[in-house]
Amino acid sequence: DAGVIQSPRHEVTEMGQEVTLRCKPISGHNSLFWYRQTMMRGLELLIYFNNNVPIDDSGMPEDRFSAKMPNASFSTLKIQPSEPRDSAVYFCASSSGLAGTQYFGPGTRLTVL
Amino acid sequence: AQSVSQHNHHVILSEAASLELGCNYSYGGTVNLFWYVQYPGQHLQLLLKYFSGDPLVKGIKGFEAEFIKSKFSFNLRKPSVQWSDTAEYFCAVRGSGNTGKLIFGQGTTLQVKP
Repeated sequence: DAGVIQSPRHEVTEMGQEVTLRCKPISGHNSLFWYRQTMMRGLELLIYFNNNVPIDDSGMPEDRFSAKMPNASFSTLKIQPSEPRDSAVYFCASSSGLAGTQYFGPGTRLTVL
Repeated sequence: AQSVSQHNHHVILSEAASLELGCNYSYGGTVNLFWYVQYPGQHLQLLLKYFSGDPLVKGIKGFEAEFIKSKFSFNLRKPSVQWSDTAEYFCAVRGSGNTGKLIFGQGTTLQVKP
């Protein structure tokens, strides 16, 4: 079975550009989570959805970050405008219900120059 | 506030040595506990989890963990490590209510020397 799919796997962009990260959860999973991993701060939960509805976005660092889940099989995390301090690995995870086990995607390594 | 503390930041072992990685959490309620592993350049994979029942949990690749409620601990163990166990290990906790919010420790880097 396919796991969580993320694209792109690597993204290099210049400061000020818009960046869109994409995630396809495991089929049948109705909860989706976006995390950011950096050396300084470790793994941080940014936002999560249940049944396509955002439940908690308190981890989103600033208004430059936004996330959507237009349907059960697709979510985006957008950064506009991007800044060098946004450089990190962004992981998407999904689970069957909020109390289910979270399964992680391969991540998107973002570098903002 | 909820938090997870992993005491060892970097562990170096020789092959066949025994492993124990410490994990303590702070949470005022019933919890679900997890250990994830991240091999170099790869994504997080679930090693094992505890939701309820037997506090000694067995996971994949010979790993196990013991939940000790009185100590707020969930230490990871393996009797004999292999070079292929070189990776970063993350402990995580979540309140057992239907919140979904998983809190991760800072991670422990394990280096196994052949």
